[in-house]
Amino acid sequence: GAGVSQSPRYKVAKRGQDVALRCDPISGHVSLFWYQQALGQGPEFLTYFQNEAQLDKSGLPSDRFFAERPEGSVSTLKIQRTQQEDSAVYLCASSASTNNYGYTFGSGTRLTVV
Amino acid sequence: AQSVTQLGSHVSVSEGALVLLRCNYSSSVPPYLFWYVQYPNQGLQLLLKYTTGATLVKGINGFEAEFKKSETSFHLTKPSAHMSDAAEYFCAVNMRFGAGTRLTVKP
Repeated sequence: GAGVSQSPRYKVAKRGQDVALRCDPISGHVSLFWYQQALGQGPEFLTYFQNEAQLDKSGLPSDRFFAERPEGSVSTLKIQRTQQEDSAVYLCASSASTNNYGYTFGSGTRLTVV
Repeated sequence: AQSVTQLGSHVSVSEGALVLLRCNYSSSVPPYLFWYVQYPNQGLQLLLKYTTGATLVKGINGFEAEFKKSETSFHLTKPSAHMSDAAEYFCAVNMRFGAGTRLTVKP
């Protein structure tokens, strides 16, 4: 597609519920990042993929967070047993380069845990 | 490891005045440096980037930034602010972001 597509755009989850957030990167893009952006804060790094390989997951805040990109294209961020502090906008970014030459961001998924 | 410090969470300038948004970084590897802009309820848009080569980088909307290795800085400037520049600005090093600076432009 023309840009990075994220779905759903908005998600309301009850505390304790599992959620799955989807990212469709630009076709052919090798690198993919996930970020968490809390209200009024900068994006916080969660994890990085190069093709299907998850090269860095040091930013995942707990073992409730899991990301995958099994075929090197679409990626899913899964959050198990959601908690109120998980409420944030989750951003996905992709790039054709593996050399950090700037990324295209999706519009994000706003997750609200009630 | 990388880290980014943006000095000043809020900057206010008058329309037509110089815009200066400060960014300092630390990086254990050669840094790739970026500035992104985020308008209210919108996604992040790349303003400019430094990878290698010329240290003065020009971006969109009249913004530019200069990489100063000795000062570990990558400050963003624009000679004359427009009302439409009001937004949140984020500096990033190797895709790790600072906390952001909110720019307000007064008429």
